[in-house]
Amino acid sequence: DTGVSQNPRHKITKRGQNVTFRCDPISEHNRLYWYRQTLGQGPEFLTYFQNEAQLEKSRLLSDRFSAERPKGSFSTLEIQRTEQGDSAMYLCASSFGTSGNTIYFGEGSWLTVV
Amino acid sequence: GQQVMQIPQYQHVQEGEDFTTYCNSSTTLSNIQWYKQRPGGHPVFLIQLVKSGEVKKQKRLTFQFGEAKKNSSLHITATQTTDVGTYFCAGYSSASKIIFGSGTRLSIRP
Repeated sequence: DTGVSQNPRHKITKRGQNVTFRCDPISEHNRLYWYRQTLGQGPEFLTYFQNEAQLEKSRLLSDRFSAERPKGSFSTLEIQRTEQGDSAMYLCASSFGTSGNTIYFGEGSWLTVV
Repeated sequence: GQQVMQIPQYQHVQEGEDFTTYCNSSTTLSNIQWYKQRPGGHPVFLIQLVKSGEVKKQKRLTFQFGEAKKNSSLHITATQTTDVGTYFCAGYSSASKIIFGSGTRLSIRP
């Protein structure tokens, strides 16, 4: 499968615990995006990378959130001290080249904080 | 900041009826993309419009980009049950990130 891969697909965690999601983009794609989606809403932009450089972060991304893409390939999104409001689907997407190109989404990682 | 709004939020139609969703941006867009998300699934790219006034068709789907490049529409002719899902428009701002609308959820009575 050469699509965007995310894991874990589902995560249930207790409030206050840390969680980490991994995204493996399509191999030749230099751009990688993280979005968050809650029920009934569209995906909300969190951050994006061009190669290993994190070029933009949304104000939605509090200090508890950190994303990395150390070698310009896979990326991780870590949420520290989770809160119930963090419950959502975390979507990773990738694209090749510059702005305007199609982005391809992974199947998402569902987070439930109890 | 830039906002992308979609109406209606929900649309429930009889199979065979037409469906339209409208998208408006608070700022001029360099291009607009449309995605479909099935229940429980992830957004899947449908099409991209770049030129002012552009119209593109995919079988029963017709996509339009406004002259001012601030609005767009998706029209489905003679809906089928396979059209069920949420349709999102998404626009590239000058900041190289894609901003999604809130989506229109389409449900169909067989």
